[in-house]
Amino acid sequence: GQNIDQPTEMTATEGAIVQINCTYQTSGFNGLFWYQQHAGEAPTFLSYNVLDGLEEKGRFSSFLSRSKGYSYLLLKELQMKDSASYLCVGGRDDKIIFGKGTRLHILP
Amino acid sequence: DTGVSQNPRHKITKRGQNVTFRCDPISEHNRLYWYRQTLGQGPEFLTYFQNEAQLEKSRLLSDRFSAERPKGSFSTLEIQRTEQGDSAMYLCASSQGDRGQKDTQYFGPGTRLTVL
Repeated sequence: GQNIDQPTEMTATEGAIVQINCTYQTSGFNGLFWYQQHAGEAPTFLSYNVLDGLEEKGRFSSFLSRSKGYSYLLLKELQMKDSASYLCVGGRDDKIIFGKGTRLHILP
Repeated sequence: DTGVSQNPRHKITKRGQNVTFRCDPISEHNRLYWYRQTLGQGPEFLTYFQNEAQLEKSRLLSDRFSAERPKGSFSTLEIQRTEQGDSAMYLCASSQGDRGQKDTQYFGPGTRLTVL
């Protein structure tokens, strides 16, 4: 199967750190993407992991464990503009499969 | 702006009418994808093109849906005899089509369809 599971909603405080987890049961994925989507807007690319380990990019980091079918997106120094949905996406050679997304609410 | 563009941004139509959406990908991108997204869900794959060839269609794409990319550049998605269940955001994305490990898709702003 290609199920991608992530929490539906999370809430965090401005300035804090939040980790959004994603698990997947699939074979054939050769990478794991994270996209950000603000309400009413298109998804925008955040990160891509093809090897196990942590990829850091500014305030955002993404981790992948292929053997465990597990990934997380770590957001540091949260800002109000980070309020959005975060989509965990499995990638094959020619297609990507989206999870339902985690809606992140940031409180002042 | 050299990103993916879509037109129209919003479309309201009556049930039974035909609608057509257009997508202009990033100019050097070989692959073009169409997705549909409803509220609270992630985008669902509909179909994709490698240049002008339509390589795969989802089972979600009923025979009322047709997509074309005649010259390997822009694409159109047509829905015939629209139904209320077709109401959704229709997203287009493009990618370079690299055979390597990373082929990031970049999305357009979407066309929001409302069928009354």
